[in-house]
Amino acid sequence: SAVISQKPSRDICQRGTSLTIQCQVDSQVTMMFWYRQQPGQSLTLIATANQGSEATYESGFVIDKFPISRPNLTFSTLTVSNMSPEDSSIYLCSAGRRETQYFGPGTRLLVL
Amino acid sequence: DAKTTQPPSMDCAEGRAANLPCNHSTISGNEYVYWYRQIHSQGPQYIIHGLKNNETNEMASLIITEDRKSSTLILPHATLRDTAVYYCIVRGTNTNAGKSTFGDGTTLTVKP
Repeated sequence: SAVISQKPSRDICQRGTSLTIQCQVDSQVTMMFWYRQQPGQSLTLIATANQGSEATYESGFVIDKFPISRPNLTFSTLTVSNMSPEDSSIYLCSAGRRETQYFGPGTRLLVL
Repeated sequence: DAKTTQPPSMDCAEGRAANLPCNHSTISGNEYVYWYRQIHSQGPQYIIHGLKNNETNEMASLIITEDRKSSTLILPHATLRDTAVYYCIVRGTNTNAGKSTFGDGTTLTVKP
């Protein structure tokens, strides 16, 4: 399995500001992903974080709003930019190893 | 990736087997069936996956019908800690895990 940690675990932010979420995997993985889970809903894939190149975004998500970095095979960051209350969600990092995908504990974001 | 259909909720008595169904009638030949669960306030947890044969591990059993159009996750002796949202996901796989698309899942409530 893969052990995934995220920082911060939760935060309360003011609208108009930005927050960067860090994701660390305990060993090298090929695939890393970022998901969003809005209150009471299922997970929605934001993007695939590609090592050494630009992230691949899903429909409805854009780089200007959710810039992603992946400098190596164990680490990635997601920034939520120019936040509004609608960005209040749980943001989850995920990593793929062999045939299986593993998830971090999530970052709970509240935007006021 | 193929779409899945799950009942929105199920109840199960503690100590009894919990049988969670999933329909995936449009599954293609190279797609696997994966099951995850999400306990409240945690990230999704991998449970089990299979292609066409029944699978069993320390957490659960996965029964896939011969035509592969449906499957059942079995928790043999449900406990209160098994109360969670269970997600059935169908996706292709290779040596590196690809992204997963989550539906609404089944909320399983284990009752004393």
